[in-house]
Amino acid sequence: DAGITQSPRHKVTETGTPVTLRCHQTENHRYMYWYRQDPGHGLRLIHYSYGVKDTDKGEVSDGYSVSRSKTEDFLLTLESATSSQTSVYFCAISERGQNYEQYFGPGTRLTVT
Amino acid sequence: AQKVTQAQTEISVVEKEDVTLDCVYETRDTTYYLFWYKQPPSGELVFLIRRNSFDEQNEISGRYSWNFQKSTSSFNFTITASQVVDSAVYFCALSEGYSSASKIIFGSGTRLSIRP
Repeated sequence: DAGITQSPRHKVTETGTPVTLRCHQTENHRYMYWYRQDPGHGLRLIHYSYGVKDTDKGEVSDGYSVSRSKTEDFLLTLESATSSQTSVYFCAISERGQNYEQYFGPGTRLTVT
Repeated sequence: AQKVTQAQTEISVVEKEDVTLDCVYETRDTTYYLFWYKQPPSGELVFLIRRNSFDEQNEISGRYSWNFQKSTSSFNFTITASQVVDSAVYFCALSEGYSSASKIIFGSGTRLSIRP
């Protein structure tokens, strides 16, 4: 199994509060991704990174920011959480980009009340 | 724009039956990649297969097989002699372009239930 961990695994927070989710990999893969999974929508890409300090937006990036200061860590921040951001968040890694297989972390279930 | 359609929201079959999960895609690129991922009840996502647009050869891996047809823009997944452990949500996905920064999109998934 690819070495990917996500923290926290579960979080309940209130509307308007900032939240940061962390993805940590031990595979030294260049590419890292954040997705959200919602019923009826499959997985939707939020942001991705193609190297340290190199990030780009995905399909549903509004309300989210990311940072990658080290190869192994990719942080997803909700600056001011809203109820529409209640979701399961998955981190993924890939050695060669989105045209190649991705390996996923265990997910973080976030509830915004 | 890219699009992936998994029209079957849920499928339920009895163990040992064969089952096919449909995936239809839309893309304007001539170079693209198709994937299937499995999400068992435990929640993790597992990579199953990757296929590029220049390789229409069907693939078989044990009880799993994939039928890629560019003429119908489909990349269907068949499980032969299904087992309870095959119960999961299966996602088809598409990425396009040469760039390693190309975007990937997933279908909405098909929930497969295998009844004993």
